[in-house]
Amino acid sequence: GAGVSQSPSNKVTEKGKDVELRCDPISGHTALYWYRQSLGQGLEFLIYFQGNSAPDKSGLPSDRFSAERTGGSVSTLTIQRTQQEDSAVYLCASSLRLAGKLDTDTQYFGPGTRLTVL
Amino acid sequence: QKEVEQNSGPLSVPEGAIASLNCTYSDRGSQSFFWYRQYSGKSPELIMFIYSNGDKEDGRFTAQLNKASQYVSLLIRDSQPSDSATYLCALAGQGNLIFGKGTKLSVKP
Repeated sequence: GAGVSQSPSNKVTEKGKDVELRCDPISGHTALYWYRQSLGQGLEFLIYFQGNSAPDKSGLPSDRFSAERTGGSVSTLTIQRTQQEDSAVYLCASSLRLAGKLDTDTQYFGPGTRLTVL
Repeated sequence: QKEVEQNSGPLSVPEGAIASLNCTYSDRGSQSFFWYRQYSGKSPELIMFIYSNGDKEDGRFTAQLNKASQYVSLLIRDSQPSDSATYLCALAGQGNLIFGKGTKLSVKP
């Protein structure tokens, strides 16, 4: 079946502009995650959605970052007033997350969106 | 605060050798662990997960979990140049996965 998809694959923007990044998770997956990965660095957790619960926003670096998930499926990550330090690859992942089934915590990643802020 | 520690490497092994990648974690209550592989410029892909003490084998890969010592390792037998990548260890947190920073593996022909 189809995997996690993200769009756009590349985004170049000017400092101060707003950007929206989209993630379409694997069908049926209840959990959706956003990460950021700067060049040569590890994965930085941003935000996590699980079903209809309030999202875990503990990883968002500033109030310029926000995300929503509509209808329990597609998610949009919005970065307002972009800064050069926002340049990174933004990765989305999804998982099935069934209670009591540890293997369903496995996250499947999309191809990422490479954001460049000039 | 759950933490996952990995040696950043690079770990260099000759083709055909066994590559051993190690990971330690801080939370004794952690239950499930994952190994991902990430090629340069690509997104992470799952190699295997483990949640029982002992070894779990899948092809050339063996994951080893020791909860008493709080470490998990990944062995790659008969290493190939195509195995050259960064290997990420992760454990299940409160709904999320906590990732280590990864170990870069280089397999020399």
